[in-house]
Amino acid sequence: GAGVSQSPRYKVAKRGQDVALRCDPISGHVSLFWYQQALGQGPEFLTYFQNEAQLDKSGLPSDRFFAERPEGSVSTLKIQRTQQEDSAVYLCASSLFRGGLGTPNNEQFFGPGTRLTVL
Amino acid sequence: DAKTTQPNSMESNEEEPVHLPCNHSTISGTDYIHWYRQLPSQGPEYVIHGLTSNVNNRMASLAIAEDRKSSTLILHRATLRDAAVYYCIPGAGSYQLTFGKGTKLSVIP
Repeated sequence: GAGVSQSPRYKVAKRGQDVALRCDPISGHVSLFWYQQALGQGPEFLTYFQNEAQLDKSGLPSDRFFAERPEGSVSTLKIQRTQQEDSAVYLCASSLFRGGLGTPNNEQFFGPGTRLTVL
Repeated sequence: DAKTTQPNSMESNEEEPVHLPCNHSTISGTDYIHWYRQLPSQGPEYVIHGLTSNVNNRMASLAIAEDRKSSTLILHRATLRDAAVYYCIPGAGSYQLTFGKGTKLSVIP
C-alpha cells in the first residue's frame, strides 16, 4: 500500500536560496508532522498539523522556516534564505488520529526524508 | 518529557535473540513506552509500544519492569534486516516523538 512519500529525495541549494520540500501523507491521516534530523542525531520535532490547522510550530528553528497544509492532505515545508546549518534530512510523518502518543493505533508513519545540502 | 538512557551501540549474531535496554526513571504514570527503529537511509518506523504489561507483536516483544523505570525490547531472532538505530520514547499526552540518540544495533552474519 501507499506510504508517506516525500519529494525531492535530495536537494542541493546554494546559501541564500529558497527551497520547498513536499510531503504526501497516507490518505485519510489527520495528523502530520515534520522533523529535522542532523547527521548522527535523532530526529527533532519541527511542527504539527491536525488536518489543515497548524497546532504547534514550536520546533521551527527560525522565521525562515514555514510549513503549510492548506487542504489537510499534502504539506510543504519551505525554508527561505537557506544557511549551511539548515543542511539535514527533513522527515515527514503522518498518523491516523488527532490524539497524542497514548491514543491506540496512532503510531506515526514516516516518509524516507529529503536530504538537504546547503553549499 | 521523561529522559531516557540507552547504550550507544550493541552487536548481535544473526538468528540469535537481542535484548535492547532502556532506562526511563523519570517516566510519568500515564506515559506509554514507544519503540521506533531507523534503518540506514530510511525514515523511522514504529516497532511496538506498551504501558504496564509486556507486549508482543509480529516484530518484537516489549518487557516493562514492574516499577516502569526501565524496559527491554526483545528481538527473538535477529536478522540482517534488523540492523538499525533503535529509539525508546516515553510519551502519552504529547503528540510529537522526542527521539534521543538511540542504540545502534549491528547484526553479524
